This record gives sequence, C-alpha cells and structure tokens, in this order.
Amino acid sequence: DIVMTQSPDSLAVSLGERATINCKSSQSVLYRSNNKNYLAWYQQKPGQPPNKLISWASNRESGVPDRFRGSGSGTDFTLTISSLQAEDVAVYYCQQYYNSPWTFGQGTKVEIK
Amino acid sequence: EVQLVESGGGLVQPGRSMRLSCAASGFKFDDYAMHWVRQVPGKGLEWVAGISWNSGSVGYADSVKGRFTISRDNAKNSLYLQMSNLRIEDTALYYCAKETDGYNSWGLGTLVTVSS
Repeated sequence: DIVMTQSPDSLAVSLGERATINCKSSQSVLYRSNNKNYLAWYQQKPGQPPNKLISWASNRESGVPDRFRGSGSGTDFTLTISSLQAEDVAVYYCQQYYNSPWTFGQGTKVEIK
Repeated sequence: EVQLVESGGGLVQPGRSMRLSCAASGFKFDDYAMHWVRQVPGKGLEWVAGISWNSGSVGYADSVKGRFTISRDNAKNSLYLQMSNLRIEDTALYYCAKETDGYNSWGLGTLVTVSS
C-alpha cells in the first residue's frame, strides 16, 4: 500500500498569512504515460464530510478560492493557502488515487493564531 | 445537484451483521465507480471498499476483507455495504463517495457503533 504522510500534524497561522501543508507518498503517484499525479486534497470542517479542493495535484475544483494552490510531483506535494481566512479553519487531507487501496494522509489541522 | 444519502447505521453487537445503503441522485449513477470511506469520530479517513460502474471490479481494505461486501443496484441508483462479523474497531461514520479524480461528492455519513 502507498503510505501518505502529512506534515505538520497541526499549524496555527495568523489571518492573512500563508499556511503550507506537505504531503509525501511512499512511492511515486505520477503516471508516466499521461504525466499526471494522482493526488487530491480535501478540506474537512467540523461536522461535515470532506470537500475536494484539488485533483491531479494542482487542479482546483470549481468554486474553490484561488488562495488554495496545490503543487508538487512524484512523491512530494504541497497545499498552500496564500492568505488564511477564518473560514479556512479545518482539517486538510491528501489522498492518492494512483493505486488501490486509495490512501489518505493522517490530516493536518489548521487553526488561527 | 448530486446527492448521496447513507442509511442503515446504528448500534450493533460484536459479531453481528449490518447492511448500509447509499441512495444516489442528481447524476447518472451507472457512469461512476462508487466507494465507502469511514472515519472514526475525531480521527482520519480510511477507504473501506470500492466498486466499478458495472460491478465488474471490487476492492476492499485489508481490515475488512472477507467480512464486508460492497454491491450496487444501478436500476435503483443505490450502493450497499454488507458488513458481517463486526468488530469494535469497525465503529465509525461511514460515508459513500462518488469517484471522479478522487471523490468529488460525499454523503453526510451514517454512524455505525459496534458495542456489547
């Protein structure tokens, strides 16, 4: 199974400041034949199901604010929130859909400092 | 609007069985693979099982293999999870999720509590 490891487990950021979450996979999730990284990012707010923010490592879903940016390739990925807003307080998960079983990172809790 | 509504959860004793259902609407159900993902309250997400659009391919997490069975009825726009020989560690909120480059739609979940 591909193991997804996020860092940090939690972070506190001031409003308007940048938040950066890292995700590392135990093996590459880049499919060479189409040059796509099979990596998604989700946001989960308390009492709600997860909401997909980004697919293919860097493609924002429709309606997701452009302050959310995904980057990286192969085994190392980053979710950046460029200017943290109060409504961004949540737990964020990365997930690989390259191989079954599709696996998630352990989650990163983002709070306001 | 895509809607996924899970049902069938509740309190069950260890070793017993339970069947979860997920009613889908707002999209062409038989075009999509579907999955079950669970979450222990306050903890992370765990993929449980997945099924292709035509039931031709299914997969299970090692933790549930041999005990859980995923199925679907495309005529009824419904997804199921038959859970048997339930264990205390199966206690979780069970979500059904629609596969599109990851999961782009989730239900609100149904809570399964395994306890004597």
